[in-house]
Amino acid sequence: DTAVSQTPKYLVTQMGNDKSIKCEQNLGHDTMYWYKQDSKKFLKIMFSYNNKELIINETVPNRFSPKSPDKAHLNLHINSLELGDSAVYFCASSQRLEGYTFGSGTRLTVV
Amino acid sequence: SQQGEEDPQALSIQEGENATMNCSYKTSINNLQWYRQNSGRGLVHLILIRSNEREKHSGRLRVTLDTSKKSSSLLITASRAADTASYFCATAPLWTSGSRLTFGEGTQLTVNP
Repeated sequence: DTAVSQTPKYLVTQMGNDKSIKCEQNLGHDTMYWYKQDSKKFLKIMFSYNNKELIINETVPNRFSPKSPDKAHLNLHINSLELGDSAVYFCASSQRLEGYTFGSGTRLTVV
Repeated sequence: SQQGEEDPQALSIQEGENATMNCSYKTSINNLQWYRQNSGRGLVHLILIRSNEREKHSGRLRVTLDTSKKSSSLLITASRAADTASYFCATAPLWTSGSRLTFGEGTQLTVNP
């Protein structure tokens, strides 16, 4: 019973393509997040949704568009992929300011 | 700029020894959390300490928080090879109405058998 599941685990694609990463949580948490982890393991928040409402939108290129159809799902769509987008993307969920539960990550490689 | 900075960046010890990692942060916080990340995996929540707490224990983990110095430490006692991982501190700021954790740069812990 995976608490936060994201797919795919690996994504290799060419520059200029559009891709999506899906995330689902079965914990009943109100808030979901997307984080980006770079090659130095630095984690940076990208987006946060609370009950389907966008509450955090960091300085992220508008090629990245999150979508939350319901509070259990938060998907990330990326247009016109660039080499610099290569990273590991983590979905997470939490209830208010309590501990986060992370997904296992999606390793995106843009070639 | 990052909220949290961790020290040391890397730590190598022998099995059975204790490991101490430190975290410093800049703004007032609601709570501070520690996470573990094994290679190629997601982060796992270890422990949360609130701003009005000074020390917390969970199994072999001991976390301290000094809000006057804006610092925290994570102590892992009697380390095991399975404790090898990256450890991150993360802070939940006091001022924001939305949930947001800002992560430190992490400490890579290697426990040698």
